[in-house]
Amino acid sequence: DVKVTQSSRYLVKRTGEKVFLECVQDMDHENMFWYRQDPGLGLRLIYFSYDVKMKEKGDIPEGYSVSREKKERFSLILESASTNQTSMYLCASSFTETRNTIYFGEGSWLTVV
Amino acid sequence: GQQVMQIPQYQHVQEGEDFTTYCNSSTTLSNIQWYKQRPGGHPVFLIQLVKSGEVKKQKRLTFQFGEAKKNSSLHITATQTTDVGTYFCAGPTNAGNNRKLIWGLGTSLAVNP
Repeated sequence: DVKVTQSSRYLVKRTGEKVFLECVQDMDHENMFWYRQDPGLGLRLIYFSYDVKMKEKGDIPEGYSVSREKKERFSLILESASTNQTSMYLCASSFTETRNTIYFGEGSWLTVV
Repeated sequence: GQQVMQIPQYQHVQEGEDFTTYCNSSTTLSNIQWYKQRPGGHPVFLIQLVKSGEVKKQKRLTFQFGEAKKNSSLHITATQTTDVGTYFCAGPTNAGNNRKLIWGLGTSLAVNP
């Protein structure tokens, strides 16, 4: 079974803090994604990566950055957390361009106070 | 831009009733995928449809892909409380890149026992 592991399930951070959300997948997937999920807004793509050190902006990249130094690991960084970034963050991965079924992690619930 | 729309947004049914959610894309899709997210959980892949007019069944769930490959439906026969959750459809973007998916906003299903 594919395993996508997010390092933190629940986090509470203060406004202005730098926040790191870590994600690891164990199936040698090329593609990794960070989504944000808010009620009524569905799944919104923040960033995705199709190779080590490669990244592309998604639909809502503002206020976020990412890092992919190793194939299995994809990190989401909130440079200066704000209250409007309180949300659930979902990491995901998929094999290749043609095998694009997405496997999600369990999610990280971030509250910024 | 490319959009995927799902209706209805919410549906309440009595246990034993049938349920259908519809997915409509603004453009032709190479494939369509369906995911289910249980309350408090993360989206989990259900099925992928590739061929025009394709119909696939998983026990009480029937998935269809339209002839024009622009719409799809998920039908659940005789709903059970275990069917509760949000059902998402998603298809690859048309930007010459099948790695990213465009998501519908989902249909939330509530089942009264």
